[in-house]
Amino acid sequence: EVQLVESGGGLVQPGGSLRLSCGASGFTFSTYWMTWLRQAPGKGLEWVANINQDESKKYYVDSVKGRFTISRDNAENFLYLQMDSLRAEDTAVYYCARDRSCSGVNCYYYDYWGRGTLITVSS
Amino acid sequence: SYVLTQPPSVSVAPGQTARITCGGNNIGAKSVHWYQQKPGQAPVLVVYGDSDRPSGIPDRFSGSNSGNTATLTITRVEAGDEADYCCHVWDTSSSHVFGGGTKLTVL
Repeated sequence: EVQLVESGGGLVQPGGSLRLSCGASGFTFSTYWMTWLRQAPGKGLEWVANINQDESKKYYVDSVKGRFTISRDNAENFLYLQMDSLRAEDTAVYYCARDRSCSGVNCYYYDYWGRGTLITVSS
Repeated sequence: SYVLTQPPSVSVAPGQTARITCGGNNIGAKSVHWYQQKPGQAPVLVVYGDSDRPSGIPDRFSGSNSGNTATLTITRVEAGDEADYCCHVWDTSSSHVFGGGTKLTVL
């Protein structure tokens, strides 16, 4: 059974840092792209960052570029998100998800998600 | 930027059919995916590639996509289907785009 379990959330002051972790099991982690997404209170989902299998490709939403860093440990089956210079607008539930693609042009989706971890940025 | 528009809420009686729409400019040219979210639980993929169902998703869930509207249809609605449903596409200029979500209420 595929499982993704996020951890590392909590309350942090503006300007602070947090590192999120996502433990993966039930599949060959090293063969999949992985993604972080978030959902602010009362808002829709937002893609945050993704990473390919060997960390050679990393992409970020503009609002977190230069502040967040996605990484992974294929030996231990973990996905990470280092979050620095946090802002109030980063307050959200953060999810990790497994990337998939389908036949057809630009067909990318997430077939498994974790339950999420809440980050609250507030003084 | 590309925008997906969903109705905030849809209500349906048990056993009836629920239709949740996702509007976007020429969305019919894109691949649309749908996720079910229940409070405190991991989102679940219910339809991908417009109309394909992952294994384990009942055939009561189906999707269609044409023109400027994609639709998630849930037939024979059950109490357990009550959740938020969100559409998702990939756009060349906006990357991953999500709709605002629709809360399905089973009356």
